[in-house]
Amino acid sequence: AQSVTQLDSQVPVFEEAPVELRCNYSSSVSVYLFWYVQYPNQGLQLLLKYLSGSTLVKGINGFEAEFNKSQTSFHLRKPSVHISDTAEYFCAVSEHNQGGKLIFGQGTELSVKP
Amino acid sequence: DSGVTQTPKHLITATGQRVTLRCSPRSGDLSVYWYQQSLDQGLQFLIQYYNGEERAKGNILERFSAQQFPDLHSELNLSSLELGDSALYFCASSKTERAYGYTFGSGTRLTVV
Repeated sequence: AQSVTQLDSQVPVFEEAPVELRCNYSSSVSVYLFWYVQYPNQGLQLLLKYLSGSTLVKGINGFEAEFNKSQTSFHLRKPSVHISDTAEYFCAVSEHNQGGKLIFGQGTELSVKP
Repeated sequence: DSGVTQTPKHLITATGQRVTLRCSPRSGDLSVYWYQQSLDQGLQFLIQYYNGEERAKGNILERFSAQQFPDLHSELNLSSLELGDSALYFCASSKTERAYGYTFGSGTRLTVV
C-alpha cells in the first residue's frame, strides 16, 4: 500500500545553518513526489515537485530535493535557513495510476532559531 | 492569494447538524480536490472532481458528500456532524486530472461543539 513517512516530526535549527528534512515512501508503481509548506493559519504552498527527468529538483525559496529511487526517498534540503522558513513541511506522493490523489506524510515542523 | 477561494473561513456548529463548505477553483482549473486536516489523522484525501465528474475517492465518510457544478465550483456537504469531524478542510485545484502539483485554498476551519 502507498504510504509516506517523514522521519522527523520536529527539526530545530539555528539561522543560517543547513537543514535536511527526510521523507521516505512506499509504492509498487511509479510515483510523482512533492514537498509542500504550510505557514501558520494558511493553506499549503507547493515548494517543489519531481515528475520525471533529473533527480535533483530545485524549488522556491532556495529549497531543493533529490529523488532516490533505490532508497525510495525524497529528502528536502536548504543550505542556509532563515527565520522566515519556520513552518510545517509536508512530503506527498501520487501514484501514476491514482489520478490526482496525493498521500501526505505527517509533516515536519521546522523551527529556525536566531 | 492562491486563487482558490474557500468559504466560510470559520464555522462553528453543533453535533448532528449539517454544513456546506464551498470552493471556487483558480480560473482555468478543471479539477477540484477536498482534503481534511486534523491533528490525529494529518492530511487525508477525501475526493476529486474533474469537469463535473467524480475522478477519485479517498476515505470519505458516508455522511460526507461533494459535487462540482457546471461553473466548476464545488461544495462539500457534511451531515450528522460529530465532535471528531472538527478539522481544517482544504480545497485545491489543478488544470488536469493528474497530480502534477496543485494549488490549495486557505481552508475552512470547522468546529463541532
